[in-house]
Amino acid sequence: QVTLKESGPALVKPTQTLTLTCTFSGFSLFTSGMRMSWIRQPPGKALEWLARIDWDDDKFYSTSLKTRLTISKDTSKDQVVLTMTNMDPLDTATYYCARTSLGAAGSFDYWGQGTLVTVSS
Amino acid sequence: DIQMTQSPSTLSASVGDRVTITCRASQSISSWLAWYQQKPGKAPKLLIYKASSLENGVPSRFSGSGSGTQFTLTISSLQPDDFATYYCQQYNSFSVTFGGGTKVEIK
Repeated sequence: QVTLKESGPALVKPTQTLTLTCTFSGFSLFTSGMRMSWIRQPPGKALEWLARIDWDDDKFYSTSLKTRLTISKDTSKDQVVLTMTNMDPLDTATYYCARTSLGAAGSFDYWGQGTLVTVSS
Repeated sequence: DIQMTQSPSTLSASVGDRVTITCRASQSISSWLAWYQQKPGKAPKLLIYKASSLENGVPSRFSGSGSGTQFTLTISSLQPDDFATYYCQQYNSFSVTFGGGTKVEIK
């Protein structure tokens, strides 16, 4: 059974760095073609893709946010970590991690439940 | 970046109606398109991948079509459980973008 769960602070102050962890089970990020992404959704707004890390440690970032994002993985712990620097109130959103498997053709077949991050002083 | 434009943004329909949602890409994405359903407070759920492939467990009343820049999601007979927001998503090598969403409301 595939599960994903995000964890991290619910509240961060402006200018701080956010660190989110996605802990997953039921599959391995060593498997060829497996990819993990972070996606966010501000309240009442659309989804926005942030970053991706692949089974071979290739990493890709949103063009508009790439200077603020770092994605990494710890395969021994089945975790993927996202850091976002210089947080702003506009970064208030629910942050999701999601999986892309080889057969999913670039789509996200499993998602975490999401974690709401509020940026406020 | 490739832009995805969904229409309409809101749709009012009745149970049993045939519903069509359109997604247009700013440049060709071949068939690298997915559709999701999202209910309030929940994560999106994958319905369709590679433009027309039905995800396991998704009812057959959902179907997708299109290629290049024009895509559609069709619900053949709207059910009470289908009132939700729908998003398209393109995948193009190294980047991903979502459409703005279509909220399907009860008429």
